[in-house]
Amino acid sequence: DVKVTQSSRYLVKRTGEKVFLECVQDMDHENMFWYRQDPGLGLRLIYFSYDVKMKEKGDIPEGYSVSREKKERFSLILESASTNQTSMYLCASRTSGTGELFFGEGSRLTVL
Amino acid sequence: AQKITQTQPGMFVQEKEAVTLDCTYDTSDPSYGLFWYKQPSSGEMIFLIYQGSYDQQNATEGRYSLNFQKARKSANLVISASQLGDSAMYFCAMRELNSGNTPLVFGKGTRLSVIA
Repeated sequence: DVKVTQSSRYLVKRTGEKVFLECVQDMDHENMFWYRQDPGLGLRLIYFSYDVKMKEKGDIPEGYSVSREKKERFSLILESASTNQTSMYLCASRTSGTGELFFGEGSRLTVL
Repeated sequence: AQKITQTQPGMFVQEKEAVTLDCTYDTSDPSYGLFWYKQPSSGEMIFLIYQGSYDQQNATEGRYSLNFQKARKSANLVISASQLGDSAMYFCAMRELNSGNTPLVFGKGTRLSVIA
């Protein structure tokens, strides 16, 4: 059974903390993505990666960075969390080509 | 730049009836793929159906069908015989296929509520 696993379903952090959101996929997919989901705004792309050590900015990269040291793992980093980064974060992966995205269960982050 | 528009923030449908969720898109790429995803209250994103821009026939998957009108740039999702379990957020998404590893771009979603 194919799987995208996000390390934490729920996190509560304080303003200014460094936050790591981890995502691991077991499907040998080349492409991985981080989206942010907010009510009324849908899913917005933060960063994506189409290969190990490669990264591309999405639509809303400000305040975030990413790391992809291994093919199966794609990490989202909030260097200094702020309250406006309170949101649901969704990781996804897919193989190259026209394939669908496979999503993790999401990580709901609250920054106080 | 590609863009997806879902104009219905919320919809209600009676159980066992059919419902259409609207989606329009904008792209200059002649080759693209259109996707619909369902997100129940539990939060997971479930892939429902795919339509390629060159596909001659409308895609169908069980009770889901995609009403693809290329000239109107519309890709509406039709759910037949609605069930209570269909209550969820539904997202339309598109990817341009001539530009390499482009990401999926999503609409803002439609919340469907099925009434018994």
